[in-house]
Amino acid sequence: ETGVTQTPRHLVMGMTNKKSLKCEQHLGHNAMYWYKQSAKKPLELMFVYNFKEQTENNSVPSRFSPECPNSSHLFLHLHTLQPEDSALYLCASSQATGVRNSPLHFGNGTRLTVT
Amino acid sequence: AQSVTQLDSHVSVSEGTPVLLRCNYSSSYSPSLFWYVQHPNKGLQLLLKYTSAATLVKGINGFEAEFKKSETSFHLTKPSAHMSDAAEYFCAGGNAGNMLTFGGGTRLMVKP
Repeated sequence: ETGVTQTPRHLVMGMTNKKSLKCEQHLGHNAMYWYKQSAKKPLELMFVYNFKEQTENNSVPSRFSPECPNSSHLFLHLHTLQPEDSALYLCASSQATGVRNSPLHFGNGTRLTVT
Repeated sequence: AQSVTQLDSHVSVSEGTPVLLRCNYSSSYSPSLFWYVQHPNKGLQLLLKYTSAATLVKGINGFEAEFKKSETSFHLTKPSAHMSDAAEYFCAGGNAGNMLTFGGGTRLMVKP
């Protein structure tokens, strides 16, 4: 049982759709992350929030828009995606940012397919 | 700059034989190092972590890893593989306030 819950588990969307991924953590952590995991590519850090403030945007295209209303919830809003955006999107949390405040706790991910 | 390199993208062992998954890091300072495991359709789960205490770190499910500064390595081992160990394993590391850097992953296959 993970302390980080992601919904939906699977999502199929067309390139003109707008959808959102949701992440919720029940661990009392202050930092939350979005990662993209594509086949045959290393794990890619997308966004980092620390105490609800965005601290990292790893050159992510604007068709991905994160939102962190509080330290327990994180969203990833998607619009006009491309087929190459199909991947497993992982949410994670930690006590705070920085390696010393790891480890990261991951959710089970949302498998996104863009058609 | 820091980086983490997993030397093998795939490792295949027979059930009951030892497991060795290799990880090397580059870092100017003493790093924190981690191993994570990912089973199919799941997120990453922490196996063990090194944060400058004992160099031999014991983790869950019988795994352990040894930090060797002279070799800049943090290899993951297990004396006897079980079928349930088949998964993808990620080494990760970093310094102080920096973000974690992940290796490319090693897929472990266990043959009956």
